[in-house]
Amino acid sequence: AQSVTQLDSQVPVFEEAPVELRCNYSSSVSVYLFWYVQYPNQGLQLLLKYLSGSTLVKGINGFEAEFNKSQTSFHLRKPSVHISDTAEYFCAVLYNTDKLIFGTGTRLQVFP
Amino acid sequence: GAVVSQHPSWVICKSGTSVKIECRSLDFQATTMFWYRQFPKQSLMLMATSNEGSKATYEQGVEKDKFLINHASLTLSTLTVTSAHPEDSSFYICSARDAVRSSYEQYFGPGTRLTVT
Repeated sequence: AQSVTQLDSQVPVFEEAPVELRCNYSSSVSVYLFWYVQYPNQGLQLLLKYLSGSTLVKGINGFEAEFNKSQTSFHLRKPSVHISDTAEYFCAVLYNTDKLIFGTGTRLQVFP
Repeated sequence: GAVVSQHPSWVICKSGTSVKIECRSLDFQATTMFWYRQFPKQSLMLMATSNEGSKATYEQGVEKDKFLINHASLTLSTLTVTSAHPEDSSFYICSARDAVRSSYEQYFGPGTRLTVT
């Protein structure tokens, strides 16, 4: 079955520290990968996406992610986080269908 | 560009009543719209997919008679929760896709918080 795993439900980090949010997916076929951010009581905002090409993808707000086909991973990174990055982050995978499969989310909490 | 709105953003209704949620694509034509449900501190679960002018395709376990979806135009889809009960309380999010702009990307609305008392 198609699935997306976000290994960490919560990630606490101090401001200006680097952060990595992990995402693994199950599939051996072509996939399209997305990271979304959700602020409280709001919808989803696209951070970045991987469709093809370079495996290192840069997104908004200083985030980047690396697609690793052999490890079926798409980890999200930021070298220096800000208080305003506190939010829920969702990894999502679009398989060879219309269906976007979401991970369970990672709550990033940035402390001053 | 690619803005999706939802109305209302928050609604409270009494058990047994029906409530309609609107999802609009403001600056593009949405050939396909999706409805998701999100429980507190959980992920988004796809409820149904609708194409303009066609019947919606519901995911397994979603009651089509309870969650009525209409996609009558290229800019509007509605989700009607019929005979709502407290267990229907949730955050409902729609998304829209413009096949001309992108075959893959969905643009998400801000969500509607439904509370059934």
